[in-house]
Amino acid sequence: NAGVTQTPKFQVLKTGQSMTLQCAQDMNHNSMYWYRQDPGMGLRLIYYSASEGTTDKGEVPNGYNVSRLNKREFSLRLESAAPSQTSVYFCASSGQLGNTIYFGEGSWLTVV
Amino acid sequence: AQSVTQLDSQVPVFEEAPVELRCNYSSSVSVYLFWYVQYPNQGLQLLLKYLSGSTLVESINGFEAEFNKSQTSFHLRKPSVHISDTAEYFCAVTPRSGYSTLTFGKGTMLLVSP
Repeated sequence: NAGVTQTPKFQVLKTGQSMTLQCAQDMNHNSMYWYRQDPGMGLRLIYYSASEGTTDKGEVPNGYNVSRLNKREFSLRLESAAPSQTSVYFCASSGQLGNTIYFGEGSWLTVV
Repeated sequence: AQSVTQLDSQVPVFEEAPVELRCNYSSSVSVYLFWYVQYPNQGLQLLLKYLSGSTLVESINGFEAEFNKSQTSFHLRKPSVHISDTAEYFCAVTPRSGYSTLTFGKGTMLLVSP
């Protein structure tokens, strides 16, 4: 049972490059999320999708875009990476907003 | 809006000692409360949650948390910790009514030494 799968696990980018983090869940969940985790800052919500076809900004959306490709998949795109986006990114899903959230293993992104 | 405060960024303890990780929240509405655990280099996992009923909730690995509405707290406790409990612990809250995202605290690193 895979749960939430995100790729890549590690990535190094140069400033200004673009990339997409992929996420898929196999739990038939309606809601999906992208968080970033930085030392001393806890988890901060970047974007979320309450259900297929909808996306909303979270606490720190600037510099990111998302796509809810279908019910299973929710991707996060950095159009022009900046060093401030160096972080660990977590994709997550839940049955509905406010339900228990299930997290992926994380993607370590370094922007140099 | 909701907010969560975890007052301690790190809690060092010796193996087999008791521990309490503190969580206080602020909300104008009734809430559901969660504790998540993150082991090194892994994602977060649900440890326990309070939805309704008994204010004392337990996890399968010996942790418990008590919802205290008057003090707006949901502290996590374990009577005797193991080395394997070394991890970061996050408290989270979401409103009961309607659908909303979870708000997380900044986390408490539990460091258990022999």
